[in-house]
Amino acid sequence: DAEITQSPRHKITETGRQVTLACHQTWNHNNMFWYRQDLGHGLRLIHYSYGVHDTNKGEVSDGYSVSRSNTEDLPLTLESAASSQTSVYFCASSELGANSPLHFGNGTRLTVT
Amino acid sequence: DQQVKQNSPSLSVQEGRISILNCDYTNSMFDYFLWYKKYPAEGPTFLISISSIKDKNEDGRFTVFLNKSAKHLSLHIVPSQPGDSAVYFCAASALMHGGLTFGTGTRLTIIP
Repeated sequence: DAEITQSPRHKITETGRQVTLACHQTWNHNNMFWYRQDLGHGLRLIHYSYGVHDTNKGEVSDGYSVSRSNTEDLPLTLESAASSQTSVYFCASSELGANSPLHFGNGTRLTVT
Repeated sequence: DQQVKQNSPSLSVQEGRISILNCDYTNSMFDYFLWYKKYPAEGPTFLISISSIKDKNEDGRFTVFLNKSAKHLSLHIVPSQPGDSAVYFCAASALMHGGLTFGTGTRLTIIP
């Protein structure tokens, strides 16, 4: 079965360190997304990609970057982790088309100390 | 500015009764709406959707209603079952806009 996998599931890091969260999907979807979930805010879009070498900023992109070198992977990098980036991060993918439902991974819980 | 709002953080419903979850939006460009269900330690899973050209969509026990003039949608679950206990997120999209805009979620608890 096709799936979307995030790693690690849990990560603790220190302020100022660079951190990369992995996302790998076997759906062969062109669209991939990164969201963060915080209490009182729901899920907020960080970055998204519509295909290889395409990346776009979302609502809360400051301090984050992504790169898309193949269809399957969209790693999310925190250039210099801050305590405000402590959150649960979800990766998602979807088929072409603005109205295709997203398929989510199980999330990465990141704690920045 | 929250473009998709779920004003009830939590809702408790007796098993077998109807659960009604509400969602309001402010962006008139939204043309597609979705509901997601989320269990603890898992990612959200797609439940049901509705296009702005419709006012109702049904899928088994789940029905979504859309009132465009009021910019309001609701999810009805009937009959409610214990397995329905989860956090429900309302989401919306606009053509040519990347990704979905989510509400803050409503925690539904079904009481046996």
